[in-house]
Amino acid sequence: GENVEQHPSTLSVQEGDSAVIKCTYSDSASNYFPWYKQELGKRPQLIIDIRSNVGEKKDQRIAVTLNKTAKHFSLHITETQPEDSAVYFCAAPNNNDMRFGAGTRLTVKP
Amino acid sequence: DSGVTQTPKHLITATGQRVTLRCSPRSGDLSVYWYQQSLDQGLQFLIQYYNGEERAKGNILERFSAQQFPDLHSELNLSSLELGDSALYFCASSVGGGGRGEKLFFGSGTQLSVL
Repeated sequence: GENVEQHPSTLSVQEGDSAVIKCTYSDSASNYFPWYKQELGKRPQLIIDIRSNVGEKKDQRIAVTLNKTAKHFSLHITETQPEDSAVYFCAAPNNNDMRFGAGTRLTVKP
Repeated sequence: DSGVTQTPKHLITATGQRVTLRCSPRSGDLSVYWYQQSLDQGLQFLIQYYNGEERAKGNILERFSAQQFPDLHSELNLSSLELGDSALYFCASSVGGGGRGEKLFFGSGTQLSVL
C-alpha cells in the first residue's frame, strides 16, 4: 500500500518568511496529492491539491510542486502570517482510501 | 462548514464500555471514511464505506466495527474500550468510491475520552 512520509515534523518561521514542507510517496501509480490544514481543535481542511498531469499549482500565497520521477511533492507558503500557524498534512491515495503524512506543525512568529 | 456532520462532539466513558459514533456525509456523497487522531498524532485510516459496502480497511482493531446505512449515514462502534482508545475520531466523505483523486471533506470530529 501507499506510504507517505512528511518532513519536517515542526517548522518555525518569522512572519513574512517562506515555509516549505516536503512529502514523499511510494506508489508510482498515485496521481492525486492534496494538502490539508488543521488548526488547533478543528477539522482538517483541504487547502490545495495537485494532479499528476501538472508539475505546479498556485493559489495566492500557497503553491504545491510535484516531482513524479522522484515521487515527492512539496507545499510552499510565501509571506507567512500568524494565521498560517497550524498543522499541515500531505496525503496520497492508497487504492480507494487516502493515506496521510504524519503532519508538520508550522509556527509563524510575529 | 464542510457539510459532514458528526455526533456527539464529546464522549466520556469508562474502560470496558462500548460507544457508537455517528456520521452523516455531505449531501450527494456516497463514501464515508473513518480516521483516528491520537494526541499530537497524524490521521490513521480505519475504514471506508461506499454506498453501503465496505470498500477499504486500514489499521482498525477487531474491537472496532462500522457500517453504512441505506440513508448513507455511518456509525463507528468501539467496544471493550481501553485508555489508549482515547482520541479524536474524524469522519470524512467524498462523492465517489475513492479511487485515485477524490477530495475528502471532514466532519468536526468526536473527541473520545476513556477514563
